[in-house]
Amino acid sequence: EVQLVESGGGLVKPGGSLRLSCAASGFIFSSYTMNWVRQAPGKGLEWVSSISSNGVYKYYTDSLKGRFTISRDNAKNSLFLQLDSLRAEDTAVYYCARQSNVAATDFDCWGQGTLVTVSS
Amino acid sequence: DIQMTQSPSSLSASVGDRVAITCRASQSINTYLNWYQQKPGKAPKLLIYGASNLQGGVPSRFSGSASGTDFTLTISSLQPEDFATYYCQQSYITPPTFGGGTKVEIK
Repeated sequence: EVQLVESGGGLVKPGGSLRLSCAASGFIFSSYTMNWVRQAPGKGLEWVSSISSNGVYKYYTDSLKGRFTISRDNAKNSLFLQLDSLRAEDTAVYYCARQSNVAATDFDCWGQGTLVTVSS
Repeated sequence: DIQMTQSPSSLSASVGDRVAITCRASQSINTYLNWYQQKPGKAPKLLIYGASNLQGGVPSRFSGSASGTDFTLTISSLQPEDFATYYCQQSYITPPTFGGGTKVEIK
């Protein structure tokens, strides 16, 4: 069974940092581009970042202004998102999502999400 | 960025009704349009990719169509488990962008 399980969310003060993790199983992790998508409370979906299957190519939404860093460890079937200089507007559920193929960015498998709350 | 505009933002319907949700792209995206279903407290689920291709395991009452920059998700006969929020998403260029969502509620 294809499965993605996020962890690492929690309550953090403005300006703080968190590292989110996503553990993958049930598929050949190293063959897939992976993504992070977030959803603020009561709001819609926002794509955050993607990383190619070999970890070389990384893309981010412009609004992050370099505060987040995506990475992966294919040997451990794991995806990461380092969140720095956190702001209240970063409060959201963060989902990791598998991209079905390189040609088109559709997300065919999602984790259950991990909640990040930025508040003093 | 490509803007995706969904309508309506919400609708009320009864079991058995035919429901249509539309999504308009701010520029041409060919057929790089996907639809997701999200239930409260759950992750989104891919329903349709490439505007009209049904994802495996999704009931055939769901269908998608395209006309230029306008896309439609149709549920032919609404079932109790279909009450949820639906999002469109363009996968034509990075960044992938989502519509604002359509909440389908019970009448």
